[in-house]
Amino acid sequence: GEDVEQSLFLSVREGDSSVINCTYTDSSSTYLYWYKQEPGAGLQLLTYIFSNMDMKQDQRLTVLLNKKDKHLSLRIADTQTGDSAIYFCAERGQGGKLIFGQGTELSVKP
Amino acid sequence: DAGVIQSPRHEVTEMGQEVTLRCKPISGHNSLFWYRQTMMRGLELLIYFNNNVPIDDSGMPEDRFSAKMPNASFSTLKIQPSEPRDSAVYFCASSLSPGLAGAVTKNIQYFGAGTRLSVL
Repeated sequence: GEDVEQSLFLSVREGDSSVINCTYTDSSSTYLYWYKQEPGAGLQLLTYIFSNMDMKQDQRLTVLLNKKDKHLSLRIADTQTGDSAIYFCAERGQGGKLIFGQGTELSVKP
Repeated sequence: DAGVIQSPRHEVTEMGQEVTLRCKPISGHNSLFWYRQTMMRGLELLIYFNNNVPIDDSGMPEDRFSAKMPNASFSTLKIQPSEPRDSAVYFCASSLSPGLAGAVTKNIQYFGAGTRLSVL
């Protein structure tokens, strides 16, 4: 079946790097996604990676994909207080739907 | 584009009342998704439509919930009668899905701001 797992909480100090991890089960997933949800708002796409890639970098964000272990990570460099939010990992499921993880709440302390 | 528009943003109602949530997807998108988010259960997919046709409603909790998409620019999620345990944030999302079987696209879903429902 399709399932996505994430740790629930992460706390870092401002300026440090944050690494949010995710595991998924469907090895046929073609795209994997990271969404960000700020308080009181909907989910916003942060970045995505195609399954034939190992890494994707976009400014302070680095996505690493290990297909063998079905492990996806999101690294945020120089984390700022404005990065405090819930981060959702998602895999592309059957029929175009997305399978979301439970979300990781990132807390950035000044 | 204004993005996905949901209304109302907040709804407070009493148990037993009918509740209707509304969604306008991004123009040109052909897939629409309804999600529910609670602290206990996280983000749950309730139902999704492709070209206005319901494809998978296995996430709809029970018969009190129904969803319609009468045209490409409007969808409703109705709860009748509502119960306190329906209190949650309901999100609508839309995407451009492939028209041909087997085609692979990014399939990015764009979310609305949500409707916060409180059933007293």
